[in-house]
Amino acid sequence: DIQMTQSPSTLSASVGDTVTITCRASQNINSWLAWYQQKPGKAPNLLIYKASSLESGVPSRFSGSGSGTEFTLTISSLQPDDFATYYCQQYNSYPTFGQGTKVEIK
Amino acid sequence: QVQLHESVPGLVKPSETLSLTCTVSGVSITSSYWTWVRQPPGKGLEWIGYIYYTGSTTYNPSLRSRLSISIDTSKNQFSLKLTSVTAADTAVYYCTRSISGGFNYLDPWGQGTLVTVSS
Repeated sequence: DIQMTQSPSTLSASVGDTVTITCRASQNINSWLAWYQQKPGKAPNLLIYKASSLESGVPSRFSGSGSGTEFTLTISSLQPDDFATYYCQQYNSYPTFGQGTKVEIK
Repeated sequence: QVQLHESVPGLVKPSETLSLTCTVSGVSITSSYWTWVRQPPGKGLEWIGYIYYTGSTTYNPSLRSRLSISIDTSKNQFSLKLTSVTAADTAVYYCTRSISGGFNYLDPWGQGTLVTVSS
């Protein structure tokens, strides 16, 4: 199976900061990558699909990039509502998720 | 809009069978692929498997020997059965939709239901 490795595991940031989360695949997944946001006690919420396509209704401060084995999620001008855990998911083959990155308040 | 809602089995005893049903509203269940994902408390997400309205399924290889996913198009529901459960199967179970194709991004998700395996 394809292993997904996210870094960092935890990220401390302030409102207004720009933050970047990296996701690496153990083999080439082309652009078959999604990003989700999850808040405590809630289901994951789709942010980005096909590596860089913004899901309808998701604020434009979220952006994704990458292809092959290395991907990034960038949140520009972090807002209070953005403090959450973020997961990447590959769907080149049967889906696997990264271990998550918690974005916390500095 | 599309909504998914999991049933609430709650507590399951070790070695017994975990059964869950997801009710889909706002769209015909024949329109997409339908997926189960789980999340152990405090841990990450694990893809369990999917089903298409034809009954075609694909399962996570690590669960395949214990897993069955079925669909009832007349009720707009799909279901999961996991046999011989252990404490390692304790998790929040989510049902969700794969937009086009079983291997795809997932949206929307049900609210999740906590299943605890304990005697």
